[in-house]
Parts: sequence; structure tokens; C-alpha cells
Amino acid sequence: QVQLQESGPGLVKPSETLSLTCDVSDYSISSGYYWGWIRQPPGKGLEWIGSIYHSGNTYYNPSLKSRVTVSIDKSKNQFSLKLSSVTAADTAVYYCARHEKPSGSLIPYYFDSWGPGTLVTVSS
Amino acid sequence: DIVMTQSPDSLAVSLGERATINCKSSQSVFYRSNNKNYLAWYQQKPGQPPNLLFYWASTRESGVPDRFSGSGSGTDFTLTISSLQAEDVAVYYCQQYYSPPWTFGQGTKVEIK
Repeated sequence: QVQLQESGPGLVKPSETLSLTCDVSDYSISSGYYWGWIRQPPGKGLEWIGSIYHSGNTYYNPSLKSRVTVSIDKSKNQFSLKLSSVTAADTAVYYCARHEKPSGSLIPYYFDSWGPGTLVTVSS
Repeated sequence: DIVMTQSPDSLAVSLGERATINCKSSQSVFYRSNNKNYLAWYQQKPGQPPNLLFYWASTRESGVPDRFSGSGSGTDFTLTISSLQAEDVAVYYCQQYYSPPWTFGQGTKVEIK
């Protein structure tokens, strides 16, 4: 059973860069899934941010693409999120998740395992 | 982007009664080539991450009780809880994976009446 755990600062100042890491355990990040980030503002719904394959191929939400970088470190079995120029609107619980990609499919599908989430507050 | 719209936003159901949640996509999420609907359902309990319930609109994830069922095709989908239990209190989300960006419905909150 794959385990995911987010980590990073819980408070980020406006205009700075939010950086989070997701540690994956009990599953090799190189084994064929995409790995994604999803966020949820307090009391609101879910927004997909971006996903990455072990090859480095990425998909980003166009609404955030100019500010987002998702990267992968296979040696550490982890992947990361950077979101630049943050504002209060970026305050949210950030989840990392395994993004299912069946063999033969070009794109990933649904999110079948999630981390517990980490609250990031943007405030001075 | 494919917009996912759920209804109602919230509902209160008595224990043991049926709960029905609807999800409508702004375009069809059905692929004729493989006869599949690219739609998933999640359950999110307070303070927890979402948990996958169904994919392909009606394929139950391992461990999901059979009082939960998913149905629908094309643009209209339904999640049904046949006999609501106290542990089913949660917010439920649909998600399309027909094409990126992957998008979720706004959520439906299910409570006990």
C-alpha cells in the first residue's frame, strides 16, 4: 500500500515561492504512475495543480501554469511542487496523490492514493 | 476545460434512507472507442483527504461498501448510497479524466437528517 506524505513550510509570505515535497513510501516512484498535486482552499473544493511522470513529462493546470513547477527526484523517491508569486488566494491544503496511468494510456486518469495534506497559509 | 457541476450542493438524509448525488459534465466524457466513461467519484470526510470510491463511473474501488453505487453515461452521472450510514457523512466529489486539465465538481455535502 503506497504511502504519501507532504512536507514544507506552513506559512509563506505574499510574492514569495511556495515549496512542498511529497515523500513516497512502499512504492517506487519510477514504476509507472504519474504523481500529482491538488489543492483545496479552506471550506472549498478541489483544484488539480499539476502532475509528473518518472520520465519527467509534466501536465499543468493552465490556470496556474505560469507559476507552477513540478519536479521529481527518483533517487529520493519524492516529487516536489513550486508555486511562485503567491497571494492570499493560494492559501489552501495541498495534497500530493498518485495519479493512475494504465499501461497503454497516454495520459493519467484518477487519483487513487492521497497524502494527508498540508495547510499552507500565505500571509505577511 | 470540462466543467463539472454537482447537485445538490448539500442534502440531509435519514439513517437507512437513500441518498442520490448528481454530476453533470459540460461535454461528454464517454469514449466510444473503448465504451468507457472517464469519470471518478471521491468521498472526503472532515479533516481527511479524498478517498477514491469509483472510476469508469461505476467500477467500485476495493473496500468500498456495496451500498454505494455509481451510474450514468455521457454527461450525466449519479452516485447513490442505498442505505445511509452514520459513517457516510462526508463531502462527495466527481472528477473527469477525459482530458486535461482534470477537473472536479464543487462537491456535495451529505448529512444526517
